[in-house]
Amino acid sequence: DIQMTQSPSSLSASVGDSVTITCRASQSITTYLHWYQQKPGKAPNLLISLASTLQSGVPSRFSGSGSGTDFTLSINSLQPEDFATYYCQQSYTTPLTFGGGTKVEIK
Amino acid sequence: QVTLKESGPVLVKPTETLTLTCTVSGFSLSDTTMGVTWIRQPPGKALEWLAHIFSNDEKSYTTSLERRLTISKDTSKSQVVLTMTNMDPVDTATYYCARTTYFDIFMDVWGKGTTVTVSS
Repeated sequence: DIQMTQSPSSLSASVGDSVTITCRASQSITTYLHWYQQKPGKAPNLLISLASTLQSGVPSRFSGSGSGTDFTLSINSLQPEDFATYYCQQSYTTPLTFGGGTKVEIK
Repeated sequence: QVTLKESGPVLVKPTETLTLTCTVSGFSLSDTTMGVTWIRQPPGKALEWLAHIFSNDEKSYTTSLERRLTISKDTSKSQVVLTMTNMDPVDTATYYCARTTYFDIFMDVWGKGTTVTVSS
């Protein structure tokens, strides 16, 4: 199975800061990497598919990049509604796997 | 509007079999570009992919639970069913179903989830 490792597991930031979350795959997954945002008590929401395709309705302050084994999710100018947990997920091969999550907290 | 709704027991006893149903609307389970995935999340922990099924009946299961899981669909009822045998307290979690794209296999619409507790 492909292992997905996210770092950091948590971070503290202020409104207006820019943050970067990293996701590393245990083998190349080309660009079959997707990002989700989850707020407490809610279902996850798809933000970015195929490493860099922003989903409809997702603010442009979110961006994704990477290919192969290393990927990043960047959030420019954090807004109060962005404080949440973020997960990456690979779909290069089954079984699909998620990263362990990165919790973005308010400093 | 695409929606998915999970249903099933809130409480199950250890060793029992869990049966969860995902009822979908706004898309058809016969749509060749879409399928349904089950994901779970233990309290305070990360998401765990469990299984998916597509219109051609293609199925896949997570390695660690493969022997305990069965996924099936009833297209006429717009339902996808997940069964998990031999439930254990560690299976306590919120279980989500989500619409899944066939070619790139990401989950674009999620249900709200259903919480299952395993306890005697």
